[in-house]
Amino acid sequence: QVQLQESGPGLVRPSGTLSLTCGVSGDSISSSYWWSWVRQPPGKGLEWIGEIYHTDSSNYNPSLKSRVTMSIDKSKNQFSLKLSSVTAADTAVYYCARLQHSWFDPWGQGTLVTVSS
Amino acid sequence: QSVLTQPPSVSGAPGQRVTISCTGSSSNIGAGYDVQWYQQLPGTAPTLLIYGGNSDRPSGVPDRFSGSKSGTSASLAITGLQAEDEADYYCQSYDGSLSGSVFGTGTKVTVL
Repeated sequence: QVQLQESGPGLVRPSGTLSLTCGVSGDSISSSYWWSWVRQPPGKGLEWIGEIYHTDSSNYNPSLKSRVTMSIDKSKNQFSLKLSSVTAADTAVYYCARLQHSWFDPWGQGTLVTVSS
Repeated sequence: QSVLTQPPSVSGAPGQRVTISCTGSSSNIGAGYDVQWYQQLPGTAPTLLIYGGNSDRPSGVPDRFSGSKSGTSASLAITGLQAEDEADYYCQSYDGSLSGSVFGTGTKVTVL
């Protein structure tokens, strides 16, 4: 059974960098899947942030591309998200998920990141 | 920045059938990309409900849930509505113009 678990600071200062990690168990980060991030502002819908493959190939949402960096750590079987120059609009629950063909499954439980001074 | 449009809410009595529409464009659903559906229970992460070109259901998802697609739109049908179906539902596809995944605006299903 594949499980994903997000971790990272729950509070980030405005103009700072949001950093999250997703630990993967039950599957290898080097398997034939892409590993993704999706976020959901409080009370709003889902927004795709981007995805990364174990070869370090990545795809990012054009609206966030200039601020997003994703990476993979094969030794720890985990992948990470960095979002720079954050504002209150980046406050959201951040989910990691495995991308199979064109669908996301499974998802992590999500972690709330609040941008506030 | 949702590219796929869904009705904000739908409701039905227990046992009834409800449908949720998902309207896209020629760069996503209309281009032939698969449409997926997710269920999000209050306070939890989304879970996959319908996936792939054949609108398959993951193991454990009741056959009361079914998906269909036509042109630039897709639909999720829930038959025999149950109280446990009260949740938010999202469609998702790939958009060739954005070169990435797009989600619907989300629909809240209420069981009367």
